[in-house]
Amino acid sequence: ILNVEQSPQSLHVQEGDSTNFTCSFPSSNFYALHWYRWETAKSPEALFVMTLNGDEKKKGRISATLNTKEGYSYLYIKGSQPEDSATYLCASKTGANNLFFGTGTRLTVIP
Amino acid sequence: DGGITQSPKYLFRKEGQNVTLSCEQNLNHDAMYWYRQDPGQGLRLIYYSQIVNDFQKGDIAEGYSVSREKKESFPLTVTSAQKNPTAFYLCASSRRASGGNTGELFFGEGSRLTVL
Repeated sequence: ILNVEQSPQSLHVQEGDSTNFTCSFPSSNFYALHWYRWETAKSPEALFVMTLNGDEKKKGRISATLNTKEGYSYLYIKGSQPEDSATYLCASKTGANNLFFGTGTRLTVIP
Repeated sequence: DGGITQSPKYLFRKEGQNVTLSCEQNLNHDAMYWYRQDPGQGLRLIYYSQIVNDFQKGDIAEGYSVSREKKESFPLTVTSAQKNPTAFYLCASSRRASGGNTGELFFGEGSRLTVL
């Protein structure tokens, strides 16, 4: 069982603020890091799948970075909007293990 | 529309009864997965299947069974042997990725099982 940790557990930001949160994972035998957005009453949706150290991916106002040597990934949201309110999940795959999920960061954007 | 369909959305069961949750996908994905979510915990893998007629135990397989007779379908049976079956269950699928990797997962909307 891998130790995939996400912080903070939850946060509230004002509309228009930028925010970021962290996913930490074991760095040895790293294969891939996934980010998902899970809106209430909907299915989780993939944001990014990252495999290379130093990789940075972007989708609209959301971007993510990956540091496989130290075992962390940051997710950034620029100019948060109410529709960004969701739980953001990260998941890590290392070695022969399955994909392990963190407990998520619950983001609330206040209009 | 392509996607994953889970049914039922809500299910109540008496203790000692088996119950089967349905998961169907029309994405032509080879791999399918069942996850369980409990409050304060990350999604945990119950079973997965990389190809038809083959499946593997995940991290918490005890008390569950699956079958994969068709590419599109991966039903999960929660048996009476599962000690704490009340939970939210998510089904997912992915293309089979190379090099030991898991491709991005496509999820259903989940099934909430309550044991009375």
